[in-house]
Parts: sequence; structure tokens; C-alpha cells
Amino acid sequence: GAGVSQSPSNKVTEKGKDVELRCDPISGHTALYWYRQSLGQGLEFLIYFQGNSAPDKSGLPSDRFSAERTGGSVSTLTIQRTQQEDSAVYLCASSWVAGGPVADTQYFGPGTRLTVL
Amino acid sequence: KQEVTQIPAALSVPEGENLVLNCSFTDSAIYNLQWFRQDPGKGLTSLLLIQSSQREQTSGRLNASLDKSSGRSTLYIAASQPGDSATYLCAVVGVYNFNKFYFGSGTKLNVKP
Repeated sequence: GAGVSQSPSNKVTEKGKDVELRCDPISGHTALYWYRQSLGQGLEFLIYFQGNSAPDKSGLPSDRFSAERTGGSVSTLTIQRTQQEDSAVYLCASSWVAGGPVADTQYFGPGTRLTVL
Repeated sequence: KQEVTQIPAALSVPEGENLVLNCSFTDSAIYNLQWFRQDPGKGLTSLLLIQSSQREQTSGRLNASLDKSSGRSTLYIAASQPGDSATYLCAVVGVYNFNKFYFGSGTKLNVKP
């Protein structure tokens, strides 16, 4: 079946502009994660959605970052007033939480490479 | 805060060699540990998941071990092939927040034909 998809695959923007990144998780997956991977760094957790529960936003680096998940499926990560340090690959992952508190395997999308000039 | 470190950052080996990738974590209160493979432009693929109560997991030529008390995991790749060339990442989930996966910065592996 279809995996996690993300769009756009690449985004170049000017400093100060707003950007929206989209994630389409695997159908039926209740958990959705956003990560940021800066050059040469590991993945940095940003935000987690699980079903209808309030999202875990503890990883968002500033109030310029926000995310929503509509209808329990598609998610959008919005970065307002972009800065050069926001340049990174933004990865989305989804999981099926099998009744317990922890998702096991995460399935990752290919990522969106954001470049802020 | 959990810190995950991977050594070496990069590794180049000739085809056929057995190799070991290392992952260490600072907080031993983990729920599980996963090893992922990252190919350029293709996101991450889960390779092996070890629950905190387990000592190792095997899949084909891959074997991952976990020593929770010492905060270490190793990924052993037997008879390496050029197709194994990728970046390998480890990630842990802590018992205090099941939502957060803490990733290392990865080991970039190059297997030369």
C-alpha cells in the first residue's frame, strides 16, 4: 500500500516568509510525528499527534512553529517568519498504536528539504 | 534530557567485511531502542526494534544488541554489501514520555565494491 507522503519535496523561501509543509500518513495510522533534521544532526522531535488527544508540542523550537492535523489524517506544519536557521529536512512519520501507550515501528516519509535564503 | 550518541560518524569498509556500529544513551530508563536506515531522499526505514527487556534482535545479516544498564547498543552487520551503504540511526523511547523518540546523529556507512 501507499506509504507516508510529504509535499513539497523541496522548498526554497526567503527569510521572513511563511511556509506550510504537508504530510499524508498511512491510512489508518493514528499516531503522527514531525521531526527536523539539520545538516549532520540527528532527528529532532517537534510534535506528536495521537488520535483525538491534545498534541504533544514540547519539541517545537519557538512559537513561530505550529502544526495541525485535520480529521485525524493529513497534517500541516507551518513555520511563520522563517529564519535561516530553520533550513533543514522536515520528516513526518506515522504509526499504528495497538491499544497501548507506545507506538512501535514508525514509517517515515521522504521529507521536505527547506532552504531559507 | 536523553542524549543519544553514535560512533563512528562515518565508516568506509570493503565489501564482505563484518562491522559494528555503536549507539550510546545517557538515560537507561528506556522503553525500547530502534535501529533505522536512512537513504538519501527516501526517509527512514526501521531495521530492528529491541524492547528494554530484550538483549538482542536479529534480522538476516543484522544483529542488534542492547545493554540497558550501561546505556549501549550495537548493530552488527555481517558480510557487508555495497547495498548496505546508507546512514544508520538509532533511537530510544524513554519510559517517562512514550511519545518522544530520541535519535542519534547517525553513522554514515560506505561499503566499497
